[in-house]
Amino acid sequence: EIVLTQSPGTLSLSPGERATLSCRASQSVTSIYLAWYQQRPGQAPRLLIYGASNRATGIPDRFSGSGSGTDFTLTISRLEPEDFAVYYCHQYGTSPFTFGPGTKVDIK
Amino acid sequence: QVQLQESGPGLVKPSETLSLTCTVSSGSIGSYYWSWIRQPPGKGLEWIGYINYSGSTNYNPSLKSRVTISVDTSNNQFSLKLSSVTAADTAVYYCARHRGKGMTSDAFDIWGQGTMVIVSS
Repeated sequence: EIVLTQSPGTLSLSPGERATLSCRASQSVTSIYLAWYQQRPGQAPRLLIYGASNRATGIPDRFSGSGSGTDFTLTISRLEPEDFAVYYCHQYGTSPFTFGPGTKVDIK
Repeated sequence: QVQLQESGPGLVKPSETLSLTCTVSSGSIGSYYWSWIRQPPGKGLEWIGYINYSGSTNYNPSLKSRVTISVDTSNNQFSLKLSSVTAADTAVYYCARHRGKGMTSDAFDIWGQGTMVIVSS
């Protein structure tokens, strides 16, 4: 099983700041099989990025994904109030599909 | 826009079988793969397994001995059964669609709102 590790566990930032979230895999993940989700309290996860760098339908361009192999990054260029949430990375190239433990982005 | 809705009992006794159904509306269950994912309170996400319209399945080995996922194309539904439940199975259970048609390996682009299942006597 591919284990995903996310850092930091919590990121405290102010609106307008840039957020950089990391996801590291225990073994190489084919880039096209890496996704990022946003989860707000009491809501289901929402797909942000698939294939490591492709924005899902309706996702603002302040969200971007990059990386390859075992190291992937989600960047939020300028935080909006609605972006304070938990973010999960997800690999779906090797069964069982797995998720990282999440990074919480909270208001500083 | 395709929507998913989970339904089933919110309380299950230990050692019994958890049964949930996901209804697909405003779209067909055909051509896609569909997954179940769960999230214990305050914790992260765990993939349970997937199915397609023809009944092809794949399960997480950690749960495989207790899980059955089935499909009912006539009612545009797929279902989850998890046997011999314990308190560790208490979680919000989500159903979700794989983004690409016919793609087992794909991100989950549409999710249900989730249903909380508590295992307790």
